[in-house]
Amino acid sequence: EAGVAQSPRYKIIEKRQSVAFWCNPISGHATLYWYQQILGQGPKLLIQFQNNGVVDDSQLPKDRFSAERLKGVDSTLKIQPAKLEDSAVYLCASSLLGTTSFGPGTRLTVT
Amino acid sequence: AQKVTQAQTEISVVEKEDVTLDCVYETRDTTYYLFWYKQPPSGELVFLIRRNSFDEQNEISGRYSWNFQKSTSSFNFTITASQVVDSAVYFCALSEADNNAGNMLTFGGGTRLMVKP
Repeated sequence: EAGVAQSPRYKIIEKRQSVAFWCNPISGHATLYWYQQILGQGPKLLIQFQNNGVVDDSQLPKDRFSAERLKGVDSTLKIQPAKLEDSAVYLCASSLLGTTSFGPGTRLTVT
Repeated sequence: AQKVTQAQTEISVVEKEDVTLDCVYETRDTTYYLFWYKQPPSGELVFLIRRNSFDEQNEISGRYSWNFQKSTSSFNFTITASQVVDSAVYFCALSEADNNAGNMLTFGGGTRLMVKP
């Protein structure tokens, strides 16, 4: 079974620029999550999808972050404009029957 | 609100020593799940275990064992005879019970384990 795929793996941008991350979950997993992991901390949930609907986006900074999951499969997370404090690893995950699998993450550096 | 605390930010042991990673959690839910994940230097989170709040039996898997104490809201993880390959950051996490909309995980801050040869 293929795992959760993410791209790109690394991204360096300047502040105020825009960036987008892509995620392909494990086939058949209806639930998809985006987590933000700042260096030295545990992951923090940004948004949770069930199929193509949003279940929880209470911790998503909606003034600059947006996410979509068209057709209930792939998802994209966008930051516009980026700030220095957005430097982190962005983890995509998917779950089925209570077990969550994580992708390799995208390491974002904002300079 | 749910909260997970891993008081040990960093532990250093010599190979073959046993080591216990502590995890204390807070939740108002009566039904919940507890998890441990391993994050090696490569960065990917690797699932280790999921435990239902109604199942307080300790679990052993090879050199790994987990001790769930509902009375003290703790879910500790022990590695027996540690190896250099065990070096990683370990995260304890909590989620509410299964529902049709999946399980959001609340993570602790992680414990960095360094096993020296």
